[in-house]
Amino acid sequence: EVQLVESGGGLEQPGGSLRLSCAASGFTFNYYSMNWVRQAPGKGLEWVSYISSTSSTIYYADSVKGRFTISRDNAKNSLYLQMNSLRDEDTAVYYCARYGSGIGSFDYWGQGTLVTVSS
Amino acid sequence: DIQMTQSPSSLSASVGDRVTITCRASQNINNYLNWYQQRPGEAPNLLIYAASSLHSGVPSRFSGSGSGTDFTLTFSSLQPEDFATYYCQQTYRTPWTFGQGTKVEIK
Repeated sequence: EVQLVESGGGLEQPGGSLRLSCAASGFTFNYYSMNWVRQAPGKGLEWVSYISSTSSTIYYADSVKGRFTISRDNAKNSLYLQMNSLRDEDTAVYYCARYGSGIGSFDYWGQGTLVTVSS
Repeated sequence: DIQMTQSPSSLSASVGDRVTITCRASQNINNYLNWYQQRPGEAPNLLIYAASSLHSGVPSRFSGSGSGTDFTLTFSSLQPEDFATYYCQQTYRTPWTFGQGTKVEIK
């Protein structure tokens, strides 16, 4: 069974940093690209970042470019999101999601971790 | 960026109803279109990928169609567990974008 479990969320002040983790199991992690997606309270879904299986290709949404860094450790079956220079508008539930094979979809999602940026 | 527009934003329907949700892309995305279901307090779940392919384990009452800029998600017979919010998403070009969501409520 595919499982993705996020951790690392919490309350942080504007300008602060947080590092999110996503532990993967039930599939061959190093075969798959991964994503982070976020959802502000009561709002829709926003794609944040993508990393290919070998970390050779990385994409970011403009809203986080230069502040967030996606990475992975295939030996540990883990995905990360380093979030720096946090802003109020980064407050959201952050989901990790597997990028499915073929034409590309987010075929499995974690349960999410809440990040709150507030003074 | 490619804008995805869903309609309606919300709808009320009864169990057993046939329901259709529409998603329009601001430019041609071929069939790089996915549909997700999100129940309150839960993570999204993939329903349909590549516009019309059913994800593993998804009931056959869900179907998707379309290509280019116009897409639909259809429920052949709405069930109680289908009351949720539905999102379309394009993966044709980054930044991958979602529609604003369609909330399906009980009439």
